[in-house]
Amino acid sequence: EAQVTQNPRYLITVTGKKLTVTCSQNMNHEYMSWYRQDPGLGLRQIYYSMNVEVTDKGDVPEGYKVSRKEKRNFPLILESPSPNQTSLYFCASSLLDDDEQFFGPGTRLTVL
Amino acid sequence: AQKVTQAQTEISVVEKEDVTLDCVYETRDTTYYLFWYKQPPSGELVFLIRRNSFDEQNEISGRYSWNFQKSTSSFNFTITASQVVDSAVYFCALSVLYNFNKFYFGSGTKLNVKP
Repeated sequence: EAQVTQNPRYLITVTGKKLTVTCSQNMNHEYMSWYRQDPGLGLRQIYYSMNVEVTDKGDVPEGYKVSRKEKRNFPLILESPSPNQTSLYFCASSLLDDDEQFFGPGTRLTVL
Repeated sequence: AQKVTQAQTEISVVEKEDVTLDCVYETRDTTYYLFWYKQPPSGELVFLIRRNSFDEQNEISGRYSWNFQKSTSSFNFTITASQVVDSAVYFCALSVLYNFNKFYFGSGTKLNVKP
């Protein structure tokens, strides 16, 4: 089944404790993105990737890191999480840029 | 700069009513793409439509239809004869050519369809 998977689905952590949210797609897509969803703000793009080792900042990259060492994986790293990073996070992938995106199920992160 | 505005934060209708969700976008680029996504209460994001800037034909898919008007920079979404299953948050989004997968989403419109 074609899908984008994210892990974990739910995470409660404390300020400053490094964490990684994994994202994997099995559709051989070139393009991948991370978004955060906050009430009243819609989805905001954090980082995106056009291919292996090629990434760029979205609208809200501060406090986040990404890497794309393999085509299928695009982990999101929070080196020192803060409470303002409490949010719902979505990973997405697409075959082409400007194309339909396939979204993962979301990761709800709470930083205390 | 690119921007998408969905001014309707929340809309409530009674089943079988028609409802239109508004989307206004801003871009100086001539080649761009517009999207609608649905987020039901279960939380996943579901693609509904993609439209490029050179195709202003209206699109109809069952009870769903989309009206793209470049003159007013709008890409509105109409649900005819709404059903309870249409209750969701709907997002409009924009991307521009050669901006390599950078997307701009509106803040979403929550649609409540009551039986």
